[in-house]
Amino acid sequence: DAGITQSPRYKITETGRQVTLMCHQTWSHSYMFWYRQDLGHGLRLIYYSAAADITDKGEVPDGYVVSRSKTENFPLTLESATRSQTSVYFCASSGSGPYNEQFFGPGTRLTVL
Amino acid sequence: AQKITQTQPGMFVQEKEAVTLDCTYDTSDPSYGLFWYKQPSSGEMIFLIYQGSYDQQNATEGRYSLNFQKARKSANLVISASQLGDSAMYFCAMREGGSGGGADGLTFGKGTHLIIQP
Repeated sequence: DAGITQSPRYKITETGRQVTLMCHQTWSHSYMFWYRQDLGHGLRLIYYSAAADITDKGEVPDGYVVSRSKTENFPLTLESATRSQTSVYFCASSGSGPYNEQFFGPGTRLTVL
Repeated sequence: AQKITQTQPGMFVQEKEAVTLDCTYDTSDPSYGLFWYKQPSSGEMIFLIYQGSYDQQNATEGRYSLNFQKARKSANLVISASQLGDSAMYFCAMREGGSGGGADGLTFGKGTHLIIQP
């Protein structure tokens, strides 16, 4: 299916565990992004990638790791989950430059107990 | 300083009335894009409309228009003839061109919760 998908859609984990959220897009967009959404904060950028093997930090990168070995995939890993990382995570993709809209995945709701 | 400010946490509007959602932004980058997204209760982010910093005319997409006042750094969303299905969270966002040194993602406001009443 064309578009951008995220998996899992829902995840419950425990403090200290490693968790990986998956993101896959079929548009061959060069840019991919990870955001988290928390009440009172809107969406905040965690990491982004301009191309395969090129990643950079966003506003709230601490506690997260990303990689991008293939253009279509952009996994986000929480190396040691904390309760403060309970959130809804959105992956997005776009063409380059400020004039291209970002297309969002459906989101992953993560709960850290 | 916040880069995107949405001053209306919530709004109640009667069905069929026009709605204006406020958004002001702050950037020193001459090249940027302004976006509005809708997030219904189901949670997905839906792109509505876009305005580029060099665009001379206000953007329009169906019932949505963007009132772009560059000197005032405002990018208000106008929804004409509101419908019950317009009830949702609305987010204003900006993507800078990069000369300002910022990250290449979107910077979002905190959103406005719009409720359309019958």
